[in-house]
Amino acid sequence: AQKITQTQPGMFVQEKEAVTLDCTYDTSDQSYGLFWYKQPSSGEMIFLIYQGSYDEQNATEGRYSLNFQKARKSANLVISASQLGDSAMYFCAMREGLGLIYNQGGKLIFGQGTELSVKP
Amino acid sequence: KAGVTQTPRYLIKTRGQQVTLSCSPISGHRSVSWYQQTPGQGLQFLFEYFSETQRNKGNFPGRFSGRQFSNSRSEMNVSTLELGDSALYLCASSAGAGFGTEAFFGQGTRLTVV
Repeated sequence: AQKITQTQPGMFVQEKEAVTLDCTYDTSDQSYGLFWYKQPSSGEMIFLIYQGSYDEQNATEGRYSLNFQKARKSANLVISASQLGDSAMYFCAMREGLGLIYNQGGKLIFGQGTELSVKP
Repeated sequence: KAGVTQTPRYLIKTRGQQVTLSCSPISGHRSVSWYQQTPGQGLQFLFEYFSETQRNKGNFPGRFSGRQFSNSRSEMNVSTLELGDSALYLCASSAGAGFGTEAFFGQGTRLTVV
């Protein structure tokens, strides 16, 4: 069954340092997408970065990069040069390609999240 | 381009009542999904609509229902509210439902059942 695991409930990082948030996934599908979202205390889920299962290069979006290791089924988020505004919950999510074929629509499976705190 | 709009932002209801939440997706987006977020269960998928048709439903009781209108706006209804229904309800809008399609979320509706 499809599953996302985030093993770090909480993490601290010093401002301006880099931090890696772990995410492992489980799927039997060959086609899938991996997403990272940020959720500040306001509640809104903010899209950060996407990696497709067929993408050979790691995705990057500004200070965010995704360390994609397909064989290990891991998709870790790397935030470079942390800022105080990065303090939030971070969620890893997956959407399977076969979901449409099996009439499962646009379902996203989320991990439990990692709470990141950036220290000044 | 306007983002995903959810109304109301906050709601307090009494056990046994029913509630309707609204979601207006990004213009042009035809897929709307709903998620329930609680501290204990995390983010759980409720259902997804595409062009007014429900394509997928999560493991929630029949008290949870939804619909989508021709303009892609969606509503979610919960009948006979229970204390455990207290949660943040998030709506996500997508242009499609392919595995690479980004989902954009609204700010959510925080429902408290007393």
